[in-house]
Order: sequence, then structure tokens, then C-alpha cells
Amino acid sequence: QKEVEQNSGPLSVPEGAIASLNCTYSDRGSQSFFWYRQYSGKSPELIMSIYSNGDKEDGRFTAQLNKASQYVSLLIRDSQPSDSATYLCAVSLYNFNKFYFGSGTKLNVKP
Amino acid sequence: DAGVIQSPRHEVTEMGQEVTLRCKPISGHNSLFWYRQTMMRGLELLIYFNNNVPIDDSGMPEDRFSAKMPNASFSTLKIQPSEPRDSAVYFCASSYDRGYIDTQYFGPGTRLTVL
Repeated sequence: QKEVEQNSGPLSVPEGAIASLNCTYSDRGSQSFFWYRQYSGKSPELIMSIYSNGDKEDGRFTAQLNKASQYVSLLIRDSQPSDSATYLCAVSLYNFNKFYFGSGTKLNVKP
Repeated sequence: DAGVIQSPRHEVTEMGQEVTLRCKPISGHNSLFWYRQTMMRGLELLIYFNNNVPIDDSGMPEDRFSAKMPNASFSTLKIQPSEPRDSAVYFCASSYDRGYIDTQYFGPGTRLTVL
């Protein structure tokens, strides 16, 4: 079992819709959670980090964390074609100095 | 402030040659990571340094790979001898370690092609 699981996609949504990206993790010791965006041919860039249960909003982006279910998600409201990219979920395990990335979900936002 | 700097951006070499990738982390960051990314395997952590000391090298694929961090502002990843299966994009990332690994900032990557 991989430490971080993501559906590879592609996830296709129309422009203006809400895109929902999901991630599950296996280690209950995971303590920090991150969403990175990676455009084709570019390096990953941080979108959001979340550390406690609940929702965290930043502009059109909302990260949701449920530690009991070992689940973290990213919602993108009013999706734009410029949001088309691969979204990587990552988790950090403090006690073991481990940091794991998922394989990423490819998002296509169609005009 | 400058972000993570990597060189070269592109490298094409022949099988059996030595390849050296270079990285300058963000000033003030005390952790540095080397990753490899391929379509098949995604983003893989190769090695992680904290305060210039290798903490976790379990991702280094084999003895052909070696990494050093002689000071806080420079690291190298060396492949000797290189093989076609080493073709990938290699990313360096840095972070400020508060006793745990937090947000990592990535460099632009080096695209390595081994013929």
C-alpha cells in the first residue's frame, strides 16, 4: 500500500465548475498535509498546507482534512483553464522525518 | 529572494558517462531534498539532508548514485556511470526544518537524458 494515494485522472470539469481532488494516506502519524500544483514541464509549487481537521480556505481554493478518515481534499471553485495541471498531495510524518508525495491527479478545465 | 537554483537545466549524455547535478537551496533553509520524477514512477525522494548531514538516503536507487552537501548553500547529485534508465527530471527542493519537514520549495529541475 502506498503512503499517499490519489486518483491519476484525468479529471475533466467545465470552466466555472467546482473541481474536487481527493487524497488518502495510510499513516495515522501524518501531521502536515500539502497540495502542490505542477504544470507540464514545470516544478511543483505549493498551493496550500493544512495541519488540523476541518477546512482551510485561500481564495478559490479550499483544503479539507479529516484525520479520522485519513482523507484530505482540495476544492477549486470557479475553475479556470489556467487551473489545468497535475495536483500532488503530500504528507509529512514528524516523528520519522518522512515526507511522501502522491502520484498526482491530472485536472483538465475545459473552456 | 532567489528561489532554489539548479544547474544545468538540461543534460544530454551517453551511457557510461558521469553526470553531476547541482543545487543551491534558498538562503536560510536548513533542509535539502533531491527528487527524481518520471511518468512511470512519479516523484521519488532520493535523499534528504538536514544541516548538511544526510538523514535519509533510502531512496537512492543504487551505488551509482551519490549526493553531497559540503555546505549550507550547495549540494550535488552524481551518477556514475549513467544508464539510459536514469533519464528523468531531477528536482532539488529546500525547506526550513523546525524539527519536522514542512513546506518544500522546488527548483526548476534538471532534465537528464542518457543515450
